[in-house]
Amino acid sequence: AQSVAQPEDQVNVAEGNPLTVKCTYSVSGNPYLFWYVQYPNRGLQFLLKYITGDNLVKGSYGFEAEFNKSQTSFHLKKPSALVSDSALYFCAVRDSGHAGNTPLVFGKGTRLSVIA
Amino acid sequence: SAVISQKPSRDICQRGTSLTIQCQVDSQVTMMFWYRQQPGQSLTLIATANQGSEATYESGFVIDKFPISRPNLTFSTLTVSNMSPEDSSIYLCSVAKTGTSGYNEQFFGPGTRLTVL
Repeated sequence: AQSVAQPEDQVNVAEGNPLTVKCTYSVSGNPYLFWYVQYPNRGLQFLLKYITGDNLVKGSYGFEAEFNKSQTSFHLKKPSALVSDSALYFCAVRDSGHAGNTPLVFGKGTRLSVIA
Repeated sequence: SAVISQKPSRDICQRGTSLTIQCQVDSQVTMMFWYRQQPGQSLTLIATANQGSEATYESGFVIDKFPISRPNLTFSTLTVSNMSPEDSSIYLCSVAKTGTSGYNEQFFGPGTRLTVL
């Protein structure tokens, strides 16, 4: 079975400082990994994905994530946080070994708060 | 990619009534998914809907409570039946489709925010 763990319910960071939002996963095959962001009263927005290739993936709004197979992690990072980055962040996984269109499994979410 | 619209975008309903949520996709897709996001929680898969067959429900969700229709390859509905305040959630429609990466990716609608009084 697939699963995703986001160990932190809340991450607080000062504006201008680097931020990290942690995610670990479990799949039986190779993972497809995703990060989504949800701003208050808004829909789910796609940030970035890892399918194959370079372990460091760059996405929207200056975010990046590094796929680490040995640690089964896919942490989200940004070099310099903005107050406008404050939102709820979800990590999601799908097993590439599953045929067809299996749905994503989501972590419980991490609320990021960037303080001015 | 896929552009997904949902109707209604939000609604406030009385206990005991039912609400049908519509999901429209701008292209044909094989599988559509319905998720629920309870307040402050993550997304939980309710069911997977294939065109021309019965929806497949996840543990904890039943057809009598959440009947789903999938009449064609671009449209689906989810009904929340006999609602209670515990059904207050955001309901999201999602589709899987080949993205720019060449692999199957998942796209989400804007969600329907349901409040049950």
